Amino acid sequence: AQSVAQPEDQVNVAEGNPLTVKCTYSVSGNPYLFWYVQYPNRGLQFLLKYITGDNLVKGSYGFEAEFNKSQTSFHLKKPSALVSDSALYFCAVENNAGNMLTFGGGTRLMVKP
Amino acid sequence: SQTIHQWPATLVQPVGSPLSLECTVEGTSNPNLYWYRQAAGRGLQLLFYSVGIGQISSEVPQNLSASRPQDRQFILSSKKLLLSDSGFYLCAWRGQHNSPLHFGNGTRLTVT
Repeated sequence: AQSVAQPEDQVNVAEGNPLTVKCTYSVSGNPYLFWYVQYPNRGLQFLLKYITGDNLVKGSYGFEAEFNKSQTSFHLKKPSALVSDSALYFCAVENNAGNMLTFGGGTRLMVKP
Repeated sequence: SQTIHQWPATLVQPVGSPLSLECTVEGTSNPNLYWYRQAAGRGLQLLFYSVGIGQISSEVPQNLSASRPQDRQFILSSKKLLLSDSGFYLCAWRGQHNSPLHFGNGTRLTVT
């Protein structure tokens, strides 16, 4: 069975500072990894994905994520946080043989001015 | 381009009443379709998914059912709502299995 852990319920960061939202996963075979963002009362929006290739993946709104196979992690990062980045962030994983994404429990990012 | 429509945006229903939530996708064919429920603004629970017309897989046995009468239409139903059915319901679609899920804007259901 595959699983995703987002160990932090909430991350607080000051505007202009770098941010990291953590994600670790467990899956058999090669992982496909995704990050999504959710604003209040809206559906999830796709940010970025890792399928294969370069371990550093760049996505929408200046976000990036680094795939680390040895640590089974896929942390979301941004060099300089904006207040508008405040939202709920979800990490998701599936293996290369399935058609089902497994989501983490979500991390609420609060960026303060 | 592909779009996904989900309605209504909000719904208040009494306990014991029926439910029908509809989701349609435009701009793609033979999508995989999904219904999720999100409680208290946190984790997502997969309820149903469909890989084709008339093909429904249920992930969690409960008071709800799903149907796919057309290729790009996915319906979530209940004959009698329970208080515990309250939540934020999200429809999603994807193409091949390593492609992202694309979500609708959700329906907030309150059962009173």
